[in-house]
Amino acid sequence: GDSVTQMEGPVTLSEEAFLTINCTYTATGYPSLFWYVQYPGEGLQLLLKATKADDKGSNKGFEATYRKETTSFHLEKGSVQVSDSAVYFCALSDRSNTGKLIFGQGTTLQVKP
Amino acid sequence: GAGVSQSPSNKVTEKGKDVELRCDPISGHTALYWYRQRLGQGLEFLIYFQGNSAPDKSGLPSDRFSAERTGESVSTLTIQRTQQEDSAVYLCASSSGLRGYNEQFFGPGTRLTVL
Repeated sequence: GDSVTQMEGPVTLSEEAFLTINCTYTATGYPSLFWYVQYPGEGLQLLLKATKADDKGSNKGFEATYRKETTSFHLEKGSVQVSDSAVYFCALSDRSNTGKLIFGQGTTLQVKP
Repeated sequence: GAGVSQSPSNKVTEKGKDVELRCDPISGHTALYWYRQRLGQGLEFLIYFQGNSAPDKSGLPSDRFSAERTGESVSTLTIQRTQQEDSAVYLCASSSGLRGYNEQFFGPGTRLTVL
């Protein structure tokens, strides 16, 4: 079945450091790909998405490019802030009639001042 | 406008008891999803509603789990004879469309603890 694998955390960075969180997927067909974020004490919210190969999703300085050839959707940010500390989830939707999301296990990011 | 709401926010119950978890989706959203998040793990899909019908129940872990949706609005997830392994955060999400690239909006979750 379809699956998503994320790099294990926690990831600890200093403020203004470069961030990469790796995400790879296994899916039949052409899924849509998402990054969701869960800030401390808050609900899960969509960070960015890409719906076809070579699309780049971006939001709040974060970017991820849909790479079909490597089945990857790595999350990057050039300069992280303390406020970026959160749990990040990579997910796919298989575009079936349901649109259900299949999530990776999540990566905790801690940014220190 | 109002987002997805869930109640209760926390539920502590004894093993063997039944529990009901409620989800109020965003008004007008036809699609509704239930997920479960166990400690330190990703979210697991449980069930999908389109309107009041549930065409995909494939994620329900056992026949102790059931869900319904009425009026194309409120949904209730029921867990009968709860077990300790049912302890998790149960998340509800709603979406305006059928296809996977429509954003799902998540509620704050219900944290269920089975003693």
